[in-house]
Amino acid sequence: AQSVTQLGSHVSVSEGALVLLRCNYSSSVPPYLFWYVQYPNQGLQLLLKYTSAATLVKGINGFEAEFKKSETSFHLTKPSAHMSDAAEYFCAPSKLIFGTGTRLQVFP
Amino acid sequence: ETGVTQTPRHLVMGMTNKKSLKCEQHLGHNAMYWYKQSAKKPLELMFVYSLEERVENNSVPSRFSPECPNSSHLFLHLHTLQPEDSALYLCASSQEPDGANVLTFGAGSRLTVL
Repeated sequence: AQSVTQLGSHVSVSEGALVLLRCNYSSSVPPYLFWYVQYPNQGLQLLLKYTSAATLVKGINGFEAEFKKSETSFHLTKPSAHMSDAAEYFCAPSKLIFGTGTRLQVFP
Repeated sequence: ETGVTQTPRHLVMGMTNKKSLKCEQHLGHNAMYWYKQSAKKPLELMFVYSLEERVENNSVPSRFSPECPNSSHLFLHLHTLQPEDSALYLCASSQEPDGANVLTFGAGSRLTVL
């Protein structure tokens, strides 16, 4: 069965710094990959999704992710962190399976 | 109302109580889900209803009982719960059968079992 691993349960960055949240999928290439974000006291919402049409996927709020088959990765990045990016981020290969999540803290 | 609405947002119950969580989606989707979100654990899929039929049940204890009377409404009936059932319960919907279609989540119901 498809699965994902999110390395780092907590990531802290300064405002304006690069954000890198890691997600590696299991060896079989998934047809889809999703990144969701959960702000405090809210449900999850979609940041972006990969559907094999393009390896570089742009999402909302300046986030993007690149699908790299050679590294079995789909890491999430943002060039410059904003205080409002503080949230928990989940990588998911399907609606049935989610990663353990990475909590992003942004310091002024 | 838009999106996915969950009520109540917070619920405290004793182990002998019976309560229900309600979810309503206003998106015209044909599939609805219940997830359990506990601290330091991955999001757990509990139940999936597609076209009002249950298609997924991940070995959830019988003290949780789902009900999907129509494609817009989903309930989770709770009885004789345990303290370890305290968690955030998230409802979501999607349009199936396209696997690329994303989930739309509600804000969740925070359950505390005393």
